[in-house]
Amino acid sequence: SQTIHQWPATLVQPVGSPLSLECTVEGTSNPNLYWYRQAAGRGLQLLFYSVGIGQISSEVPQNLSASRPQDRQFILSSKKLLLSDSGFYLCAWSKGGDSPLHFGNGTRLTVT
Amino acid sequence: DAKTTQPPSMDCAEGRAANLPCNHSTISGNEYVYWYRQIHSQGPQYIIHGLKNNETNEMASLIITEDRKSSTLILPHATLRDTAVYYCIVYSGTYKYIFGTGTRLKVLA
Repeated sequence: SQTIHQWPATLVQPVGSPLSLECTVEGTSNPNLYWYRQAAGRGLQLLFYSVGIGQISSEVPQNLSASRPQDRQFILSSKKLLLSDSGFYLCAWSKGGDSPLHFGNGTRLTVT
Repeated sequence: DAKTTQPPSMDCAEGRAANLPCNHSTISGNEYVYWYRQIHSQGPQYIIHGLKNNETNEMASLIITEDRKSSTLILPHATLRDTAVYYCIVYSGTYKYIFGTGTRLKVLA
């Protein structure tokens, strides 16, 4: 069966510090990968998605970037965090077609 | 992708059926309707999806109107653990799953 791992679960970082969140999927190959962000009390905002190694589509211009160095690895990064980057970051995968999204357990980021 | 409209909140008595509506009046013929739920501080959980026909699985039933402009998610016997935010989304296969603000369902004891 397929599993998705996201870490860390919680993170507190000062403004201006860098960020790296990692997500890996097991049990499948060539998944579509996604990063979402959820601000407190809000809905999910699609940040990036990737349909293959090195292929990144950005949905929202911002302080963040994403990379996919391996087939089942998706990384969310920032060079300098802003207060507004605080939120709940979720990684997800799908097999494409009409197959559903499957989410990880998320990383709660607080920028202080 | 088509936009969906859901009521912001609903209450349901424990043991009763919870019927969560969703409007997607601009849906296209090749767009699927998906339902997810998110329990506080967790990642969203896939529930069910459909294109034209009604669907049922171990978690819920999905009723899609004949004109496909709306759908209803039915939790047949709601429990306290079904308290969550429920999201209805329409997906056309363009890789982008766009979530709205969902319906906050509260199951009452």
